Amino acid sequence: DVKVTQSSRYLVKRTGEKVFLECVQDMDHENMFWYRQDPGLGLRLIYFSYDVKMKEKGDIPEGYSVSREKKERFSLILESASTNQTSMYLCASSTRLAGGPAAVYEQYFGPGTRLTVT
Amino acid sequence: EDKVVQSPLSLVVHEGDTVTLNCSYEVTNFRSLLWYKQEKKAPTFLFMLTSSGIEKKSGRLSSILDKKELFSILNITATQTGDSAVYLCALPETSYGKLTFGQGTILTVHP
Repeated sequence: DVKVTQSSRYLVKRTGEKVFLECVQDMDHENMFWYRQDPGLGLRLIYFSYDVKMKEKGDIPEGYSVSREKKERFSLILESASTNQTSMYLCASSTRLAGGPAAVYEQYFGPGTRLTVT
Repeated sequence: EDKVVQSPLSLVVHEGDTVTLNCSYEVTNFRSLLWYKQEKKAPTFLFMLTSSGIEKKSGRLSSILDKKELFSILNITATQTGDSAVYLCALPETSYGKLTFGQGTILTVHP
């Protein structure tokens, strides 16, 4: 079974603090993703990585950075936390499944980190 | 830009009812459409649809895709309280598997 773990389930930080969220997957997946989930907005992609040291901005990268030094680990960094970054953060990983004329991708999610910034 | 819109945003039913959840989309280069179920924590994969008109089925859940009209539906028959969850529809956008999600439908099933 694919396992994606996140370092914390709940986290409370103060405005201005630097925050690290860690994600580890054990299936040798190439791709890893960070999302935030807010009521009524669904999951929105912050950053993703398709290989070690490679990263791409998602839809809402502002205020975040990421690091992928090892294939199994993808870290999300909030350089200076703000109250509007209070949210549920979900990490996911995927490999590339080739099937027919179209490649299809299934992502496996971690349990999430509920971050509160006060 | 790819877009996914789900409806309704929330739904309250009683056990035994049948529900239909909708997902409409706009996409530049269609690869597949995915459905996820999210209970208290991580979304879990339900279905991946790539071809129009072919129903995917898993127990009381089924889903179908219409690539001409650009939508998919997820049906749940004989609902149970354990079906209460957020149901998410998503499209992969790039060769790296980046997913665009809809807002989700919150389903609540009362006993």
